[in-house]
Amino acid sequence: AQTVTQSQPEMSVQEAETVTLSCTYDTSENNYYLFWYKQPPSRQMILVIRQEAYKQQNATENRFSVNFQKAAKSFSLKISDSQLGDTAMYFCAHQLSGATNKLIFGTGTLLAVQP
Amino acid sequence: DAGVIQSPRHEVTEMGQEVTLRCKPISGHNSLFWYRQTMMRGLELLIYFNNNVPIDDSGMPEDRFSAKMPNASFSTLKIQPSEPRDSAVYFCASSFGRGANVLTFGAGSRLTVL
Repeated sequence: AQTVTQSQPEMSVQEAETVTLSCTYDTSENNYYLFWYKQPPSRQMILVIRQEAYKQQNATENRFSVNFQKAAKSFSLKISDSQLGDTAMYFCAHQLSGATNKLIFGTGTLLAVQP
Repeated sequence: DAGVIQSPRHEVTEMGQEVTLRCKPISGHNSLFWYRQTMMRGLELLIYFNNNVPIDDSGMPEDRFSAKMPNASFSTLKIQPSEPRDSAVYFCASSFGRGANVLTFGAGSRLTVL
């Protein structure tokens, strides 16, 4: 079964600082995809970054990067130069490859960026 | 593209009433997902469709919940009869193809059952 665990319910960071959000997952499959989604107070779910499990190189999108450790089943998100607009709930998600493409989410981490 | 369109954005109803939530996926997307978000349980996948066919409805909480996708551009999630514990935000999302499917979410429907 797919499971995703986010052990940090809340985090806080000062503006311009760097913060890392943790995520672990469990699957018996070898081919899958991992995502981070952001949900600001507007409630809209927004894709932040994605990673294919077969790629060893960590994905990067501007100030957002991941540390993907396949053997440890860990997928953390690093936000550099934090901005006030980064304040949101962040969800880690796992998707199997193949015939099914359902996305299973973790419980989320509420990130507050302080001025 | 207007994105995934959900209606209504907010609904307040009384226990026992029927509730119908609607979703229009992005044109060309062939997978559609219904999620429920609550403080206690987070984001739960209720059901998803591929090419208008329900593939996995194991997340549907009970028989009071039903979902349909009569064509590629429309889906409904119905709750009958509704109960206070159904109060949540219901999201619809759509995606295209397989592989690293990026789901595009609608803005959600906030349901309050009194």
